[in-house]
Amino acid sequence: EIVLTQSPGTLSLSPGERATLSCRASQSISSSYLGWYQQKPGQAPRLLIYDASSRATGIPDRFSGSGSGTDFTLIISRLEPEDYAVYYCQEYGSSPTLTFGGGTKVEIK
Amino acid sequence: QVQLQESGPGLVKPSETLSLTCTVSGGSVNSGSYYWNWIRQSPGKGLEWIGYIYRSGSTNYNPSLKSRVTMSVDTSKNQFSLKLSSVTAADTAVYYCARMYSSFLEYWGQGALVTVST
Repeated sequence: EIVLTQSPGTLSLSPGERATLSCRASQSISSSYLGWYQQKPGQAPRLLIYDASSRATGIPDRFSGSGSGTDFTLIISRLEPEDYAVYYCQEYGSSPTLTFGGGTKVEIK
Repeated sequence: QVQLQESGPGLVKPSETLSLTCTVSGGSVNSGSYYWNWIRQSPGKGLEWIGYIYRSGSTNYNPSLKSRVTMSVDTSKNQFSLKLSSVTAADTAVYYCARMYSSFLEYWGQGALVTVST
């Protein structure tokens, strides 16, 4: 089973700042299997990024994903008020088990 | 636009079986290369994948829950279902259904809170 470790646990930033979120896999995975989700309080998660770097339909271009092997990154170039949320990375394909990272909370500083 | 909606009892007694149904609209459970998933989230915690079912009825469950999980699909009603047996307080969570395509959960239901308590 792949274990995904996200860091930091909490990111405190002001609107307009750049957010950099990390997701590290316990072993090398294909970038085709790595995605990112955003979850706001009381809502279901929403797919932001698939295949490590492709934006899902309707996702603004201030969200970008990158990485390969064991290290993946989600960047929010300029934080908007609606971007404050919890972000999860997710992997499925390297093993039969779909896994999520523990999440990174982006909060207003 | 594909929509998913969870339904089922919000309160289940310990040792009993939790049962939830996900109704799909705007798409068919019997078409395409989609996998129909269940995910849960304990209060204040992260996401835990429970498993998925394909339209053929083939399943894949999280090993940590496999002994207690059963999923089924009803193509005539455009629904799929989850049963989790022998529940305890640790199974209290918001349960989400979601459609997966090519490794990613692209459509989610709004979630259903299930509390395990006497």
